[in-house]
Amino acid sequence: DQQVKQNSPSLSVQEGRISILNCDYTNSMFDYFLWYKKYPAEGPTFLISISSIKDKNEDGRFTVFLNKSAKHLSLHIVPSQPGDSAVYFCAASDGLGGATNKLIFGTGTLLAVQP
Amino acid sequence: GAVVSQHPSWVICKSGTSVKIECRSLDFQATTMFWYRQFPKQSLMLMATSNEGSKATYEQGVEKDKFLINHASLTLSTLTVTSAHPEDSSFYICSARIRGQGDEKLFFGSGTQLSVL
Repeated sequence: DQQVKQNSPSLSVQEGRISILNCDYTNSMFDYFLWYKKYPAEGPTFLISISSIKDKNEDGRFTVFLNKSAKHLSLHIVPSQPGDSAVYFCAASDGLGGATNKLIFGTGTLLAVQP
Repeated sequence: GAVVSQHPSWVICKSGTSVKIECRSLDFQATTMFWYRQFPKQSLMLMATSNEGSKATYEQGVEKDKFLINHASLTLSTLTVTSAHPEDSSFYICSARIRGQGDEKLFFGSGTQLSVL
């Protein structure tokens, strides 16, 4: 039972354009969502997060949108840069990201930004 | 940011042997470490939560006698795959949480690709 789904295994975008990565979840108890970025041969690194009390969180070129009614979140990267090329994982937890809460990950989306 | 060192990066072993994977937090104390497994084209699946000085908490369906976890210090957790079989071939990755911090402060190792022949 895949509680966090990233239905697009890959995405290709031109440099300077917007990249939109999507994530759907099924568990209505999830209240904290995170995006991680992973380069080859490295572990995932935290990118941006959002709690369920918000519908948008922005950090520089990265913005995460949350639509609770649709159980959908998306990561927008604008403008996209070649260095953004990586696998992006969506993750969710059910305790506002507290120290004891575990994360449920999606399968990841490979973003390729073309120069 | 904080560094989590995981090794080996890859290992090939014969069926029936045991394999130990180490996860070290290099510049911080990690009271909690997590072990994940990822099969091709699937998500990172949490196997167990490892707390320093206590027994690990295993997720449903994960055999604790097969996947031995030891978190002997605030900087080291180990996962031993005992009597490995080909179906245990997978990508294993650890993460560590800084004491008292939320999920943003979850740092990952670079993973171990295990191939069991």
